[in-house]
Amino acid sequence: EAQVTQNPRYLITVTGKKLTVTCSQNMNHEYMSWYRQDPGLGLRQIYYSMNVEVTDKGDVPEGYKVSRKEKRNFPLILESPSPNQTSLYFCASSLRPGDRGRGWAGANVLTFGAGSRLTVL
Amino acid sequence: GESVGLHLPTLSVQEGDNSIINCAYSNSASDYFIWYKQESGKGPQFIIDIRSNMDKRQGQRVTVLLNKTVKHLSLQIAATQPGDSAVYFCAAPNDMRFGAGTRLTVKP
Repeated sequence: EAQVTQNPRYLITVTGKKLTVTCSQNMNHEYMSWYRQDPGLGLRQIYYSMNVEVTDKGDVPEGYKVSRKEKRNFPLILESPSPNQTSLYFCASSLRPGDRGRGWAGANVLTFGAGSRLTVL
Repeated sequence: GESVGLHLPTLSVQEGDNSIINCAYSNSASDYFIWYKQESGKGPQFIIDIRSNMDKRQGQRVTVLLNKTVKHLSLQIAATQPGDSAVYFCAAPNDMRFGAGTRLTVKP
């Protein structure tokens, strides 16, 4: 089954304790992205990656790191979590964003993971 | 700032009625739009998309209308069912940004 898998789904941690949320996709997608979702604020992009070894900041990158060493994996790293990073996190991927070649429209559709609810005490 | 946004944060409809969810965009260069549905406890899922060379696109019970003159698109759900209760997002893949979403509640 084509999917984006995030782990852990739920995590309660304490301030300052480094954690990593993993994300893996099995669709050979080039583009991957992390979002956080907070009440009333919708989905806000943290970081994204257009391809292996290419990552860029989104709208709210502070306090987060990412890496894209392999095409299928895009982990989100919180080096020193703080309570304001308590949120619901989603990883997503798409084939080729910005692609305007044949069949381009579908290449932009994002497939989302099930979400990771993180609580930082 | 956001390049796409939704007019209303919540919408409540009676089961069987039609629902209309609206979305405005600011980037005239946007040439493709996607609607996503997010059910409780799940990630957003693709519903329907539309290219800017179209005014209307229909799915099984959903229709998306695009008005490029006023930079507005809408998602219409016919004969709304309890399973349609969710948060709906419009997105412009140009920048992969989302609005805050509209929560649709279907009353039995």
